[in-house]
Amino acid sequence: AQSVAQPEDQVNVAEGNPLTVKCTYSVSGNPYLFWYVQYPNRGLQFLLKYITGDNLVKGSYGFEAEFNKSQTSFHLKKPSALVSDSALYFCAVRDGGNAGNMLTFGGGTRLMVKP
Amino acid sequence: DAGITQSPRHKVTETGTPVTLRCHQTENHRYMYWYRQDPGHGLRLIHYSYGVKDTDKGEVSDGYSVSRSKTEDFLLTLESATSSQTSVYFCAISDIPPKIGYEQYFGPGTRLTVT
Repeated sequence: AQSVAQPEDQVNVAEGNPLTVKCTYSVSGNPYLFWYVQYPNRGLQFLLKYITGDNLVKGSYGFEAEFNKSQTSFHLKKPSALVSDSALYFCAVRDGGNAGNMLTFGGGTRLMVKP
Repeated sequence: DAGITQSPRHKVTETGTPVTLRCHQTENHRYMYWYRQDPGHGLRLIHYSYGVKDTDKGEVSDGYSVSRSKTEDFLLTLESATSSQTSVYFCAISDIPPKIGYEQYFGPGTRLTVT
């Protein structure tokens, strides 16, 4: 069975500093990996995905993520954090053999960016 | 929110009453999902659909039923609401290549309170 771990419940960074939100995964086949962001009282918004190809993927709002197969990780990064990046972030994985196109989500990491 | 609406957006109901939540999409995507989001539990899949009249159970399906009579509508019914079903409910849609690349898109959510 597939699983996703987000080891940090909360990440605190100062505005202008780089940020990293960690994600590790476990799947039986090739991983399809996703990051989502959730602002208060809103649904989840899709940020970026890795399906195949370049290990560094770029997404919305200046975010990027690095796929590392040997470490089974897919960390979310941004070179310079903004206060408006403060939100709840979810990592998700899709097992390639999944007939229902279902995703397994991590527990979420709250990002707090302080001025 | 990617052509997805949920109704109602807020509902307060009494224990023992039936409740139906509606998800409507305008994207013509094949797959539809119902999740619940609770503090400390992240997102949990209730039921999903892989086509009209084709549905299956998710992780936390007890006490819930679903129906999909048209591509665009996916209904979630709480047969007899209990206080443990107080939660925020999200609908999501997805499809596979070549339509889109496996990611799910989420609706704005329905906040349900069972008193």
